[in-house]
Amino acid sequence: DTGVSQDPRHKITKRGQNVTFRCDPISEHNRLYWYRQTLGQGPEFLTYFQNEAQLEKSRLLSDRFSAERPKGSFSTLEIQRTEQGDSAMYLCASSSDGEVDEQYFGPGTRLTVT
Amino acid sequence: DQQVKQNSPSLSVQEGRISILNCDYTNSMFDYFLWYKKYPAEGPTFLISISSIKDKNEDGRFTVFLNKSAKHLSLHIVPSQPGDSAVYFCAATGNQFYFGTGTSLTVIP
Repeated sequence: DTGVSQDPRHKITKRGQNVTFRCDPISEHNRLYWYRQTLGQGPEFLTYFQNEAQLEKSRLLSDRFSAERPKGSFSTLEIQRTEQGDSAMYLCASSSDGEVDEQYFGPGTRLTVT
Repeated sequence: DQQVKQNSPSLSVQEGRISILNCDYTNSMFDYFLWYKKYPAEGPTFLISISSIKDKNEDGRFTVFLNKSAKHLSLHIVPSQPGDSAVYFCAATGNQFYFGTGTSLTVIP
C-alpha cells in the first residue's frame, strides 16, 4: 500500500458547477477525515468517518458540501454550486483505531473556482 | 475561533543548533497533541505526539514538551538539519481535530 491517494490532484471549475473529489485511504485504516486548507492557514477539519458512519461534521461543512464513504473504504466529497470562496486545497487523511489518532495525509486536491 | 495557535509564522536556525517551535491552545479538554511536518506539494506527515497526561515525549532528535497549566506545547529539534526545513503544524484532538496555522522552519547549512 502506497498511502493515501486523492483524485484529481487539481480541479479548475466555473462558479456554480458541481465537483466531486475522491479519497482512497490506507487499506487497513477505518477512520477517514476531510480537511480544507487555504493559503497561510492550517488544515481545517470538515468531517470524519469511522468505517461508513459519518461521526462528526464541522460547521464549515455547509449544505452545499456532502461526503460519503459507502462501503467503509474510499470516500467522496462533493461540492455543489461552487463559489469562489471554495477555492482551497482539500486534504484527506486516514488512521487506524488506536490511542493516538495518528493520521496519514494524502497529497490533496487543489480546487480553483473561477 | 482559533483553538490552536502558532504565533511565529517563520523561524530560521543554523544547522546543528536547536530549533524550538511553539504552540498555544485554549481548550483544556484536548486529549492528544501532535506535530506534523509538511513539504511543498505534499500532505502533512505525522512527526510526534504527546498525551495530555504527560509532559514530555522524545523520539530521536525530536522532543515535544507539554505545559498544561500554560496551555502551551513546544517541539524541540536538536541538532537541526537542512532536511528539517518545512512547515510544522501543531494539532490537538478532542471530538474534532484542530490544527495551528503553521511555522515555516528554515535550517541554514
